[in-house]
Amino acid sequence: DVKVTQSSRYLVKRTGEKVFLECVQDMDHENMFWYRQDPGLGLRLIYFSYDVKMKEKGDIPEGYSVSREKKERFSLILESASTNQTSMYLCASSTPGQGQDTQYFGPGTRLTVL
Amino acid sequence: GEDVEQSLFLSVREGDSSVINCTYTDSSSTYLYWYKQEPGAGLQLLTYIFSNMDMKQDQRLTVLLNKKDKHLSLRIADTQTGDSAIYFCAESSYSSASKIIFGSGTRLSIRP
Repeated sequence: DVKVTQSSRYLVKRTGEKVFLECVQDMDHENMFWYRQDPGLGLRLIYFSYDVKMKEKGDIPEGYSVSREKKERFSLILESASTNQTSMYLCASSTPGQGQDTQYFGPGTRLTVL
Repeated sequence: GEDVEQSLFLSVREGDSSVINCTYTDSSSTYLYWYKQEPGAGLQLLTYIFSNMDMKQDQRLTVLLNKKDKHLSLRIADTQTGDSAIYFCAESSYSSASKIIFGSGTRLSIRP
């Protein structure tokens, strides 16, 4: 069965801390994505990756970086957390298709920055 | 840039049909999707439709696509309490390189 896991369901950090969010998929998917979800704004793409060591900026990359050293793992890094980064973070993966790219999502990490 | 819009809330009586509407702007959209997010969970694909189709039916779900008006709808027949969730409309195209553009989500609540 398809599975995307995220390292934490809930996380509380302080302003200025470095935060790592980990995502692992077991489907051998090439593509991986990080979104943040905020009420009324839907999902906004932060970064995505098409392959190991490759990354592309999404719509809101400011304040974030990513790392993809292995195919199954995609990490989102907040170098210096700020209160406006309090949000739900969702990881997803997919395999390239003929335009139909179903994304499989993890359960999400709810991050609170105090 | 591409945009997908949907209303934020919908309230339906149990047993009635729910219709969730969505509009999109990208005329090159190839696939249109409906994802469901239950409380405390990630998104799960409900169904998708290829842009050369007008309708797709899957058990209680009916998807209608009006490509001319760039309008997509999801009808849930005989709505049950387990259908309470946020429903996201989304679109992708051959040119979008595996990216999917999501709407803001419609929160469906069920009245007894």
